[in-house]
Amino acid sequence: QVQLQESGPGPVKPSETLSLTCTVSGGPISRHYWSWIRQMPGKGLEWIGYIYYSGSTRYNPSLESRVTMSVDTSKKKFSLRLSAVTAADTAVYYCARMFEEYDSPGYFYSFDYWGPGTLVTVSS
Amino acid sequence: SYELTQPPSVSVSPGQTARITCSGDALPEQYAYWYQQKSGQAPVLVKYKVTERPSGIPERFSASTSGTTATLTISGVQAEDEADYYCQSADSSGTYWVFGGGTKLTVL
Repeated sequence: QVQLQESGPGPVKPSETLSLTCTVSGGPISRHYWSWIRQMPGKGLEWIGYIYYSGSTRYNPSLESRVTMSVDTSKKKFSLRLSAVTAADTAVYYCARMFEEYDSPGYFYSFDYWGPGTLVTVSS
Repeated sequence: SYELTQPPSVSVSPGQTARITCSGDALPEQYAYWYQQKSGQAPVLVKYKVTERPSGIPERFSASTSGTTATLTISGVQAEDEADYYCQSADSSGTYWVFGGGTKLTVL
């Protein structure tokens, strides 16, 4: 059973950089896409971006200028960095595995395994 | 930016059928997935596209799409189905992924 676990240093001050790591266990990190998703308090879900095990990335256009993702396949970890944070970035951050399905004429992706989430508070 | 629209809330009595809709212009090309989120927990995928349902998801959960509207149907609703439900899909080019605003299902 694949399990994901988010970890991070805790509260972040405005204008600083938020850093989170997701550790994958119970399955391979290779040959999968891995995403970060966040949920503001009492609000819906927002896809932040993904990183492929090879290191290729794609980010949500609304956050692209502030987001960097990286992967360490030897440690089965992938990471998120979000720069210049404000109070609006306060949210529960989830890491998730993307599940790929093929059905003509193309591929479709869902999020089949999620971490429990970690609350990141941006406050001075 | 691309958006998916869901009703904020749906209420049904136990044993009835709940239908939760999700509207988006790209749904004729992109599949809508569905997630159940109970209070304080991470979302759980309830319906694949090709394969039927993830392990542990009851048969009473089904999904369909007609034009620009996707529907999650929960037949014979039980008290344990009370949760927030989110649809998820991609923009028409499959470049980025979006979630609907969520629907709170209340079991009366």
